[in-house]
This record gives sequence, C-alpha cells and structure tokens, in this order.
Amino acid sequence: TQLLEQSPQFLSIQEGENLTVYCNSSSVFSSLQWYRQEPGEGPVLLVTVVTGGEVKKLKRLTFQFGDARKDSSLHITAAQPGDTGLYLCAGNAGNMLTFGGGTRLMVKP
Amino acid sequence: ETGVTQTPRHLVMGMTNKKSLKCEQHLGHNAMYWYKQSAKKPLELMFVYNFKEQTENNSVPSRFSPECPNSSHLFLHLHTLQPEDSALYLCASSYTVIDQPQHFGDGTRLSIL
Repeated sequence: TQLLEQSPQFLSIQEGENLTVYCNSSSVFSSLQWYRQEPGEGPVLLVTVVTGGEVKKLKRLTFQFGDARKDSSLHITAAQPGDTGLYLCAGNAGNMLTFGGGTRLMVKP
Repeated sequence: ETGVTQTPRHLVMGMTNKKSLKCEQHLGHNAMYWYKQSAKKPLELMFVYNFKEQTENNSVPSRFSPECPNSSHLFLHLHTLQPEDSALYLCASSYTVIDQPQHFGDGTRLSIL
C-alpha cells in the first residue's frame, strides 16, 4: 500500500501570510498532482509535476517535486481568503492515484 | 461547469433501500472512477473503468455495484448499505488511466439512516 502523508492537516492563517504544505511518501511516483477542493464541490486539479526536482508556479502558488519523486511541497505566497480550501496531493503509480489525507487551509481576512 | 455531472447531489436512504448514483461526462474521456470521501480519511478509490471495462475493484463490499454502459456514463448501484457507508461519493474521469489528471464531479452526499 502506498501512503501519502500531508502536513499540516489544518492551517489557519491571516491574509498576506506565507505558508507551505508538505506531501511525503516512502514510495516513488511517476507523477504527482495537487488538487484544491472547496466545500460542496469536487477536487479541481491545480498542477501535475513529473520530473524529480521540478518546480512549477501558478501565480502565487509554487509546487516542487522532490528529487527522488517521493515527496512534494506547495508554497503559497501572500495568502488570500480565496485560497481557503482543502488541498490534496495525489501520487500516480501505474493506473491508480493515491491521495493524501489533505490539508485544510483557512485564510482569514 | 465541471464537465462531470453527478446526480443526485444529496441522497438519504434507509439500510434496506436500493438506489443508484449516476455520473455523466462529456469530455471525451475513456476512463471513469468512483471514489469515497469520508471525514478524517483520505479519498478512497473504489472502482476504475477503462473503455467500459472494469480494471480495478479496490476491495469494495458487494453492496456497491458499479455499471458502465458506455465511456460517458457510470453508475453506482447501492443496496443494503450500512451507516458507515455515509460519505461523499465522487465520480471522476480522465482521458486514459495512465498518468492522466482526473476531472471530478461535485459528488453525491449520501446519508444512511
């Protein structure tokens, strides 16, 4: 069983602060995806990282894939209330996605 | 508009009832998935269909019965459910099953009385 552990599980911060969310595993993944899920909706894909060491930026969000393709991080700069949601990482090994438990982020105005 | 539509959005049923969840996608995808999302647990993959053929059954109890009549439609038939089956059931689709990002519906919130 491939497990993905996300930390922290919960994070409550003020608008304008920076934060980093971590996604760790002992397994190697061919790619890793990050999703954001808002209440009452399904997860929406933010980014896919494929190459070890890869860094991708999406406006104020920076995603990094570990060199060994076992872990990833999501850094948000100057968080805004619209960033509030559940952030999920998912590792792809073969035909199945394994999801982490998620980080629930609340950004207060 | 997510491209993946699930109905109903909410369902309350007794343990002896039989009901079905429906998922429809118009994205031209060939793979479809059922997931279970419970509080305090990671998203759990239940079933995978690729070109209408079931390729994964992740040790799901037989009281959950999937059906995929074509690449655009996916059903989850429910019967004799237990209270612990109360959860958000999410449908997703992707172009293929390998290394493809998945597009999710907004889910069916299921409550078992």
